[in-house]
Amino acid sequence: DAKTTQPPSMDCAEGRAANLPCNHSTISGNEYVYWYRQIHSQGPQYIIHGLKNNETNEMASLIITEDRKSSTLILPHATLRDTAVYYCIVRVAIQGAQKLVFGQGTRLTINP
Amino acid sequence: DTEVTQTPKHLVMGMTNKKSLKCEQHMGHRAMYWYKQKAKKPPELMFVYSYEKLSINESVPSRFSPECPNSSLLNLHLHALQPEDSALYLCASSQASGQGGLAGTLFGEGSRLTVL
Repeated sequence: DAKTTQPPSMDCAEGRAANLPCNHSTISGNEYVYWYRQIHSQGPQYIIHGLKNNETNEMASLIITEDRKSSTLILPHATLRDTAVYYCIVRVAIQGAQKLVFGQGTRLTINP
Repeated sequence: DTEVTQTPKHLVMGMTNKKSLKCEQHMGHRAMYWYKQKAKKPPELMFVYSYEKLSINESVPSRFSPECPNSSLLNLHLHALQPEDSALYLCASSQASGQGGLAGTLFGEGSRLTVL
């Protein structure tokens, strides 16, 4: 399974863009990058995913480098409710299911 | 219905008890998962069911026994657990990869288990 590396913690001011980096240098051609977040004591929440193109949805944007070895999750206008642990995950499709293996994640703190 | 529902939310059991955790989804997802999460650690995959068949067992001890009675339900039977098994147990579901769906895996809120 491809491994991901993320900074253990980051801080961001409320209202500013939060940029969360992730390295996945061993990713292979058919593996997707997924981002989830987990707010304290809740189940992980899906944010966004991509294969090779940049993606945007109502929650965030995902920028994937051309060599696919790293990506950045962008929360354009962070709010206090965005304080959470953010996980970058390489998804493997295996035996008819999606295997998500979580790394250590980045603890993002949004400051007022 | 776009949720994964887990019951009970909290469970306290002794080391000789037998209990079960339940998970339900009605989104037509054909893959379902159990994860275990210790405090301040990321979730760890335990089991994967695809089309009601066990497809992945991540070397989980036999005191944890999964069951998938139908495409909407997933159980985790617990027997002779140890205090170190105390954790948040998360259930998740997704479209099976063969269906071409690339939507995210959806997680329930978890069942917090305490083993005394």
